Amino acid sequence: EDQVTQSPEALRLQEGESSSLNCSYTVSGLRGLFWYRQDPGKGPEFLFTLYSAGEEKEKERLKATLTKKESFLHITAPKPEDSATYLCAVRGLGGGADGLTFGKGTHLIIQP
Amino acid sequence: DSGVTQTPKHLITATGQRVTLRCSPRSGDLSVYWYQQSLDQGLQFLIQYYNGEERAKGNILERFSAQQFPDLHSELNLSSLELGDSALYFCASSVAWNTEAFFGQGTRLTVV
Repeated sequence: EDQVTQSPEALRLQEGESSSLNCSYTVSGLRGLFWYRQDPGKGPEFLFTLYSAGEEKEKERLKATLTKKESFLHITAPKPEDSATYLCAVRGLGGGADGLTFGKGTHLIIQP
Repeated sequence: DSGVTQTPKHLITATGQRVTLRCSPRSGDLSVYWYQQSLDQGLQFLIQYYNGEERAKGNILERFSAQQFPDLHSELNLSSLELGDSALYFCASSVAWNTEAFFGQGTRLTVV
């Protein structure tokens, strides 16, 4: 069974204070690791897809990296509008399902 | 705007009742997924359809069922509703089996 654990559960940063969010996973054959951003009461918004160890993707102040056991979402000089819950998900080979297995997320608050 | 449309946005119903949630995927996407999000469980994969056929089941209760129609829109039917079924229900769609899924804005179901 695929499993995703995200840490920390919550993180409060000052504006401009860089940090990283962690996503540890176990999966039988990784077919993709996905990062999403979710605002309260809204649907998850797609950020990145990573397929193999060593891969990196960047978008504005966000950078996602992948190893064989975990992924990191690095946030550089964050702004208050980056406040959201960040979700990590994996798609594995097991069970024939293409559905994603999600972690419980990291609730990020950026204070001005 | 992800391009995935869900209706209704909010639904309040009584225990024991049956409701239908509707989803229109992004243009060109053949795969539709349904997810349930509750405060304690996070996002849970329920079921997937691909081009009209059921492809995989996740943690979907027997009281719940879904279908995908020839025009690719999908419906999730929830019956014999219980208080614990109160949650956000999301639909997502993707082009292929290994690409990112885009989520709709969800239907908030409240069972009273």
